[in-house]
Amino acid sequence: DVQLQESGPGLVKPSQSLSLTCTVTGYSITSDYAWNWIRQFPGNKLEWMGYISYSGSTSYNPSLKSRISITRDTSKNQFFLQLNSVTTEDTATYYCARKKDPYSYFDVWGAGTTVTVSS
Amino acid sequence: DVVMTQTPLSLPVSLGDQASISCRSSQSLVHSNGNTYLHWYLQKPGQSPKLLIYKVSNRFSGVPDRFSGSGSGTDFTLKISRVEAEDLGVYFCSQSTHVPTFGGGTKLEIK
Repeated sequence: DVQLQESGPGLVKPSQSLSLTCTVTGYSITSDYAWNWIRQFPGNKLEWMGYISYSGSTSYNPSLKSRISITRDTSKNQFFLQLNSVTTEDTATYYCARKKDPYSYFDVWGAGTTVTVSS
Repeated sequence: DVVMTQTPLSLPVSLGDQASISCRSSQSLVHSNGNTYLHWYLQKPGQSPKLLIYKVSNRFSGVPDRFSGSGSGTDFTLKISRVEAEDLGVYFCSQSTHVPTFGGGTKLEIK
């Protein structure tokens, strides 16, 4: 079974960068699918952030385009989220998730990791 | 952004009842290829969202047949017949015809 697991610092200072890792087991991220980051704010609102595809191409939510970068390490079967210039409004639970193609549904999700932005 | 509006925010039900959740989009979700990319997820307490229904009416693997989806264009409905205790949680609709967005969620709880 494919599994996704997020990891990274739980606390980030305002104006700094947020960096998270998603480790994928049971499936190679270079075989197929798009590998996504989604976040959930306090109060339940969900926001799709972007993805890196199996071929390495990326797509980002236009609302984040100037601050976000998604990269990968194929040797470790991991992909990464970097979000720059964070504010308290970036406090959220961050999920990594898989989908088949740009129009598809998210069929596998990680358990999520909570990041708080605070000085 | 396509805004997804779910109603109600909270849905108190008795076990065994039928439940219905509405989801309305600010734009048509019909893609130029003819598909409608409207999906439903359930998030149980302390867990990540899990896929229930994809492309309006298709149950995902392992989802019981008491869950059904319907709708077209901008108006969609998720129905749960005979609610069971394991169905409690927050339901989200989501569209991926455009830049993916999610509804605000409907909390299904015991009356």
